[in-house]
Amino acid sequence: AQSVTQPDIHITVSEGASLELRCNYSYGATPYLFWYVQSPGQGLQLLLKYFSGDTLVQGIKGFEAEFKRSQSSFNLRKPSVHWSDAAEYICAVGYAQNFVFGPGTRLSVLP
Amino acid sequence: IAGITQAPTSQILAAGRRMTLRCTQDMRHNAMYWYRQDLGLGLRLIHYSNTAGTTGKGEVPDGYSVSRANTDDFPLTLASAVPSQTSVYFCASSDSAGYTFGSGTRLTVV
Repeated sequence: AQSVTQPDIHITVSEGASLELRCNYSYGATPYLFWYVQSPGQGLQLLLKYFSGDTLVQGIKGFEAEFKRSQSSFNLRKPSVHWSDAAEYICAVGYAQNFVFGPGTRLSVLP
Repeated sequence: IAGITQAPTSQILAAGRRMTLRCTQDMRHNAMYWYRQDLGLGLRLIHYSNTAGTTGKGEVPDGYSVSRANTDDFPLTLASAVPSQTSVYFCASSDSAGYTFGSGTRLTVV
């Protein structure tokens, strides 16, 4: 069955610290991969996506993610977190209508 | 600004009442979706439509119906609301570049 796992429900980091959010998936073939960010009371905003090619992809707001086929992972990283990055981060994988979303990781940022 | 408009933003609804959540997109995407988002469960697909005139069931379709009379509009109807349908509902559309989401409708059934 297709599934997406985000092992960390809630992560707290200090402002200026580095960040890595984990995403693992199970899918029949190599799917398209996405990271979304959701601020409280808002919809989902696309941070970045991977379709093919270079496995390190750059997104908006200074985020990047690396696709590792051997590990079925697509972890999200940021070298220096800002207070405004506090939000819910949702990993998604799929193709066409066969889209699966992870449960999300809530990021809190300490001043 | 191109995107998806959902209405209402929030609603408190008495159990047993009928409710239609509205969704309109202006990107001319063929595919549209309705998801519900619940704490700890993530986004779950309710119904989808690959193109105008066609619809399909997602993971949690019971108690919900949709229609797709044209490309832009994809309303979601709860025929007789129950408390378990209390959730945040997101409409989305997609093309080859990915999904675009609306801002959501927060529905409370009491």
